[in-house]
Amino acid sequence: AQSVTQLGSHVSVSEGALVLLRCNYSSSVPPYLFWYVQYPNQGLQLLLKYTSAATLVKGINGFEAEFKKSETSFHLTKPSAHMSDAAEYFCAVSGNQGGKLIFGQGTELSVKP
Amino acid sequence: GAGVSQSPSNKVTEKGKDVELRCDPISGHTALYWYRQSLGQGLEFLIYFQGNSAPDKSGLPSDRFSAERTGGSVSTLTIQRTQQEDSAVYLCASTSSGGNSYEQYFGPGTRLTVT
Repeated sequence: AQSVTQLGSHVSVSEGALVLLRCNYSSSVPPYLFWYVQYPNQGLQLLLKYTSAATLVKGINGFEAEFKKSETSFHLTKPSAHMSDAAEYFCAVSGNQGGKLIFGQGTELSVKP
Repeated sequence: GAGVSQSPSNKVTEKGKDVELRCDPISGHTALYWYRQSLGQGLEFLIYFQGNSAPDKSGLPSDRFSAERTGGSVSTLTIQRTQQEDSAVYLCASTSSGGNSYEQYFGPGTRLTVT
């Protein structure tokens, strides 16, 4: 069985500040991990994915995430927040290639000017 | 190219009525997924079709929910005797079977409101 926990349903940062969104997972098999972003009234867009290759994964829009097996974590970071980063972010886990995604509860990111 | 499309974009129905939601996956994608997004439950997996294999229905919340995929392409999610708790955004996603098949491409969703 798999599950995902996102710590913090709301995160607020100032423009230019570091963004850190936390995700911890539980999986009985080697996981595939994903971060998706959802802008208001839009569908989900893939930011980045971990598929058992490099543990530091770079995605779109300057985001990156590091897979830490010992901590069962896959936290999302961005060095400098931009106003356009305001959105809801979802961490997800899958147990196999092309398998169903199990999502966390989401973290809403606000960016203050 | 065209992405995943869903119709209708919004649906308002009365409690007890049946509804059908449609998903057109990306051409050539063999796997198709339905998810539901609601305030109380977040994003939940509903059902998954992969090629000609039997679908994974493990996420369907009740027997009022069913889905089919005709010709390995278009999919319809049917909810019978709708209840207010069925109000949610229903998302469809698809992915290819080869190459970079980890990424699921999502449609814009159908917002269902049951009154």
